[in-house]
Amino acid sequence: TQLLEQSPQFLSIQEGENLTVYCNSSSVFSSLQWYRQEPGEGPVLLVTVVTGGEVKKLKRLTFQFGDARKDSSLHITAAQPGDTGLYLCAALRLKTSYDKVIFGPGTSLSVIP
Amino acid sequence: GAVVSQHPSWVICKSGTSVKIECRSLDFQATTMFWYRQFPKQSLMLMATSNEGSKATYEQGVEKDKFLINHASLTLSTLTVTSAHPEDSSFYICSAPSTLPNVDTQYFGPGTRLTVL
Repeated sequence: TQLLEQSPQFLSIQEGENLTVYCNSSSVFSSLQWYRQEPGEGPVLLVTVVTGGEVKKLKRLTFQFGDARKDSSLHITAAQPGDTGLYLCAALRLKTSYDKVIFGPGTSLSVIP
Repeated sequence: GAVVSQHPSWVICKSGTSVKIECRSLDFQATTMFWYRQFPKQSLMLMATSNEGSKATYEQGVEKDKFLINHASLTLSTLTVTSAHPEDSSFYICSAPSTLPNVDTQYFGPGTRLTVL
């Protein structure tokens, strides 16, 4: 079973539309991270959320950490073709101190001009 | 910011041969590095944790005799895929955690595309 679930798995939208990607788990995390990965490249960290209920904004991207620290969402406003990529949520392993990042299955986003 | 490099960026080999992939931290020391494998249109799956000066820790289901990991220095970890087969074809990515206190950041390499014929 997956430690992290993401939905939707695939998303294809028109330029200018808004979208939300969800990351869910039955486990509580000390923090969650969101990455974006383009084909043939390594993932790039977008944000780390630590506090339950926390909201962080990165230009047109808004990240929220659930109050219970079990889930997170990524909202993109007015999507652009440059937003196309694989969005991955990730969590730190629970049983050990920080040293491992476990990824969710990812959401593949395609923004059509 | 911290940079992690990988070499080669892509490699094609014949079935049965061994392939070595290098992961280097360019401007910081990494006592720990991680190796991931990613199949097309899938997420990154953690394979193993590479520990400088000691044996690597492998995730469940990963054959340690097939994926040899060596972390001989504080800036270099290598992954050797032994007796490679077509099903080993994948995108291999390494990462290293930040050494700054209270910073939960992993620096990822650009990945190595392995194709086994």
